[in-house]
Amino acid sequence: GAVVSQHPSWVICKSGTSVKIECRSLDFQATTMFWYRQFPKQSLMLMATSNEGSKATYEQGVEKDKFLINHASLTLSTLTVTSAHPEDSSFYICSANSRDGGAVEQYFGPGTRLTVT
Amino acid sequence: AQKVTQAQTEISVVEKEDVTLDCVYETRDTTYYLFWYKQPPSGELVFLIRRNSFDEQNEISGRYSWNFQKSTSSFNFTITASQVVDSAVYFCALSEGFSGSNYKLTFGKGTLLTVNP
Repeated sequence: GAVVSQHPSWVICKSGTSVKIECRSLDFQATTMFWYRQFPKQSLMLMATSNEGSKATYEQGVEKDKFLINHASLTLSTLTVTSAHPEDSSFYICSANSRDGGAVEQYFGPGTRLTVT
Repeated sequence: AQKVTQAQTEISVVEKEDVTLDCVYETRDTTYYLFWYKQPPSGELVFLIRRNSFDEQNEISGRYSWNFQKSTSSFNFTITASQVVDSAVYFCALSEGFSGSNYKLTFGKGTLLTVNP
């Protein structure tokens, strides 16, 4: 099956700094990628939908100026958490759509654990 | 708006017992996909099954089986002869529409399954 990678797998940063998380589709082109956030012992919540070459669409309640998403190519989307605070500590997971014939498959990355101190 | 309810927050069973995880969904669309994912302690989501809204056939894959009933808007998941390795959080998810880039998932809150030896 198709593979989606995320880098880094975990990161610790100080409050007030920015952190960039990369999501790559390794063996397929993804016109659409999604970013989810998961707090401990909670479900995955969609943050935004990222389309290659256009602005991301953010879900209600997600600050677009704080969570910058860039989908510069068909294989790479980045999420930058700007001026991170401890409450941004979470597990961030991306997924990517791959169209195979008429079907659309979605593949998840392994996640990035962010800890803000 | 779409919604997925997993009423069971935690389930604990003894190895070799059968266990059923419940999932009830709400959607106004007539075309949609339903999913089950497994999330072990490592955090990476493991895809288990996808079912489209027009296919109500039950499915069996090894020790796993799924029962989809549109009449009750349920998509339940049964593990037969559970094993310790089945211990994980299981998520049910819903995606409206069949194709295109708008393939975002709505997840249930998840059920933590603990299989004790």
